[in-house]
Amino acid sequence: RKEVEQDPGPFNVPEGATVAFNCTYSNSASQSFFWYRQDCRKEPKLLMSVYSSGNEDGRFTAQLNRASQYISLLIRDSKLSDSATYLCVVITGGGNKLTFGTGTQLKVEL
Amino acid sequence: NAGVTQTPKFQVLKTGQSMTLQCAQDMNHEYMSWYRQDPGMGLRLIHYSVGAGITDQGEVPNGYNVSRSTTEDFPLRLLSAAPSQTSVYFCASSYSGSGRYEQYFGPGTRLTVT
Repeated sequence: RKEVEQDPGPFNVPEGATVAFNCTYSNSASQSFFWYRQDCRKEPKLLMSVYSSGNEDGRFTAQLNRASQYISLLIRDSKLSDSATYLCVVITGGGNKLTFGTGTQLKVEL
Repeated sequence: NAGVTQTPKFQVLKTGQSMTLQCAQDMNHEYMSWYRQDPGMGLRLIHYSVGAGITDQGEVPNGYNVSRSTTEDFPLRLLSAAPSQTSVYFCASSYSGSGRYEQYFGPGTRLTVT
């Protein structure tokens, strides 16, 4: 089983839709969790951290479920510019080990 | 600030050739790392460094060497290129401690080994 697993998609949604992605992790000792965004043929960039109590940044909401070992990302009112691949990142091993998921591709269409 | 820079952007090597991928950052970050990204595999850590003079292996270190003589530079050496090393290579840097978690990535080097 992979340490971090994501549905690769693609998720094709119309502009204005709400879409959610999940990411599961296998190591129960994982400490910190993040979502990165990667545009086609570009480098990944941090989108948001994921806090235990859940957190929101504009149209984006991240949640953590430690009992079931998954994190989620909800995007409301999707924009064309949200089209990208979303990478889940899990930190273990005292902070030196960052494990990336393979990413979920989102395509927002008119 | 230029952030994290990588050279070259593209490279084609023949099997058995060696080369060095360059990475530099001007943010005074202690932590630097190299990843490779392959379709369906995600980003995998090759080597990392927590400061000048200190390096350690990541998940897929075989066939690669690194050194960190200055805070700014973290070159990745391919000793004898193999087709399996065809990939996109990203260098990243961050602050140490809790600041490590926001990784700043360079634009990547696309390497093809024939």
